[in-house]
Amino acid sequence: GAGVSQSPRYKVAKRGQDVALRCDPISGHVSLFWYQQALGQGPEFLTYFQNEAQLDKSGLPSDRFFAERPEGSVSTLKIQRTQQEDSAVYLCASSLDLGQGVDEQFFGPGTRLTVL
Amino acid sequence: TQLLEQSPQFLSIQEGENLTVYCNSSSVFSSLQWYRQEPGEGPVLLVTVVTGGEVKKLKRLTFQFGDARKDSSLHITAAQPGDTGLYLCAGGRTNDYKLSFGAGTTVTVRA
Repeated sequence: GAGVSQSPRYKVAKRGQDVALRCDPISGHVSLFWYQQALGQGPEFLTYFQNEAQLDKSGLPSDRFFAERPEGSVSTLKIQRTQQEDSAVYLCASSLDLGQGVDEQFFGPGTRLTVL
Repeated sequence: TQLLEQSPQFLSIQEGENLTVYCNSSSVFSSLQWYRQEPGEGPVLLVTVVTGGEVKKLKRLTFQFGDARKDSSLHITAAQPGDTGLYLCAGGRTNDYKLSFGAGTTVTVRA
């Protein structure tokens, strides 16, 4: 497809389980972002990749959150020992250039994570 | 904590009416982007404004960037049900990849 895709679209996990969320960015896009969107809120920055390098992970809420993009394309966001407060929509976005503020970010549909 | 405050939080109007959504901050941004997000989808970019005082028009939508580049507004003329959605503003800074989003304004246009 031409756009950013994410899988799964919905994930229900029991508290304490580990989850892995996948993002397929637009082919050729250098920059990849992960955001967390809580119900009724705007997206909050989690982490940023430039190709395979994770240049900023300052938005990750805790050390239970881990993201990787080993070949500079597909990215995975992993959450270990999920907690109820992790319930949110996780959005992935990619952009063509170096991710400077004025670059257009193309968003995927998100993965809705519900932790019971 | 979100740097950009949007108002109102919710807006419900009748088809054909006009509406304005505001986005305010105490911080200066080099660019301000407006997105629309529909349920179950990711945000889609509507416009980017980069110059203080800039006004951009996109059909029935008018976007304005404040002179001091701290605030912005989105005005919709003769709203239609297809304009229904969550409108998000996001601020960017030169040489900073992060976008700072507001909490959004949920707009409902009733037929």
